[in-house]
Amino acid sequence: DAKTTQPPSMDCAEGRAANLPCNHSTISGNEYVYWYRQIHSQGPQYIIHGLKNNETNEMASLIITEDRKSSTLILPHATLRDTAVYYCIVRVDSGYSTLTFGKGTMLLVSP
Amino acid sequence: DTEVTQTPKHLVMGMTNKKSLKCEQHMGHRAMYWYKQKAKKPPELMFVYSYEKLSINESVPSRFSPECPNSSLLNLHLHALQPEDSALYLCASSQEGLLFANQPQHFGDGTRLSIL
Repeated sequence: DAKTTQPPSMDCAEGRAANLPCNHSTISGNEYVYWYRQIHSQGPQYIIHGLKNNETNEMASLIITEDRKSSTLILPHATLRDTAVYYCIVRVDSGYSTLTFGKGTMLLVSP
Repeated sequence: DTEVTQTPKHLVMGMTNKKSLKCEQHMGHRAMYWYKQKAKKPPELMFVYSYEKLSINESVPSRFSPECPNSSLLNLHLHALQPEDSALYLCASSQEGLLFANQPQHFGDGTRLSIL
């Protein structure tokens, strides 16, 4: 079973920041938080991951609470092409450890 | 664009046919994966190969037969499939080993399979 809880859908206006929450209250100390997204008719795309510090890359920022029980993915300036299902996944990093996808959040970016 | 290439993009087959799905990557990844995704559902892991050896089989029916002929190729052989096997089949790859911990999986865009 998935270890994360996400809202089923969210809306965002183009150009605004999209803040996608994820609850992972049972996360273990050695589990990382990963975010992937899946645009319609494409395979999942890696976005970002972190353990306990906030992370930022060219796509997004990841904010993890101090107790690590929840996190927020931030797309700073959402575009129409960011419309996708966003998956928050917790996993142990040990070699090829597998991904267990939850239901994700369908983000709709509108003009 | 994806660095994991899957062919064909679409496949329609009858229940008595034998077909194969192909996945290729040239990133030097030594772990490769097959996932199945039903419509409006998240991907579900089917198989994991590590250094060309099957490491994980998630209780997948024997009508699905994976093969990893070399470090760049992953096949999924299909035989006597059922209509409920219609789905998007996704291939992924990643670095392998503890030295490569924290490395993400790279996915192809999948093969959309329809069983008549």
